[in-house]
Amino acid sequence: DTEVTQTPKHLVMGMTNKKSLKCEQHMGHRAMYWYKQKAKKPPELMFVYSYEKLSINESVPSRFSPECPNSSLLNLHLHALQPEDSALYLCASSQEGVFWTGELSTNEKLFFGSGTQLSVL
Amino acid sequence: AQTVTQSQPEMSVQEAETVTLSCTYDTSENNYYLFWYKQPPSRQMILVIRQEAYKQQNATENRFSVNFQKAAKSFSLKISDSQLGDTAMYFCALDGGSQGNLIFGKGTKLSVKP
Repeated sequence: DTEVTQTPKHLVMGMTNKKSLKCEQHMGHRAMYWYKQKAKKPPELMFVYSYEKLSINESVPSRFSPECPNSSLLNLHLHALQPEDSALYLCASSQEGVFWTGELSTNEKLFFGSGTQLSVL
Repeated sequence: AQTVTQSQPEMSVQEAETVTLSCTYDTSENNYYLFWYKQPPSRQMILVIRQEAYKQQNATENRFSVNFQKAAKSFSLKISDSQLGDTAMYFCALDGGSQGNLIFGKGTKLSVKP
C-alpha cells in the first residue's frame, strides 16, 4: 500500500460551519504534512507532524486546527473559515520527518494524497 | 533566501516528441535536494525525479531525465517520447535541508497534443 488517502474529495461549507478533513496512510511513515494549494499556484506548507508531534506550524490562523491521533492518521479541523480559505488541501507523508538534531528534512520522497477541494461560501 | 524559478508558465509538445522544462534556483546550502513533481488533472502530486546536489551524475527515470548544472543553479527536466498522460502541471522544488521545507516553483503547465 503506497497510498495516502484523503476524505472527503470535495467539501462545501459555510463560514459558521465546523468540518474536518481526514488523511490516512499505512506505509509506516512517521511524518505527515498539510499543504494548501490555491488554483494555479504551488502548494504551501501549513503543518508538519513528526512522530505524532507538531513540528512545524507555518503561522497558520487558528481557524485551522491540526490533529494527529496516531501515526497513520492526520486530521485538519476547520472552524469559522473565510471565503479566501477556499483551496485544495493536500496531505502528504514521508518515512522520516525530523532528524535527531531537530532539523526537518523533506529530502525523502513525499507521498501526496489527491487532496480535498474546499469551497467556503 | 532560497528561491525556485520556473520561467515557462505553459508549454506544449506533440506526442512522441521531446520537451525540456526549465528551472533555476538559489540557495546558500552546500548540500541539498532537487525534485520535479507532476500534478495531473487528478490533482495528486507525484514525484517524477529527484537529484542530490553532491552527485554529479544526472538522475534519470525511464523517459524522464534532468540536466543538473550546479554552478549555474539550473535543474531542467527532459521528457522523451512524450505521452498524452504526461499532460500535467510540473513543479520544480528545492529542499534546503536546514530550512525544513520544500520550496516550490510556480509550475509549468505542459500539454501533450496528439
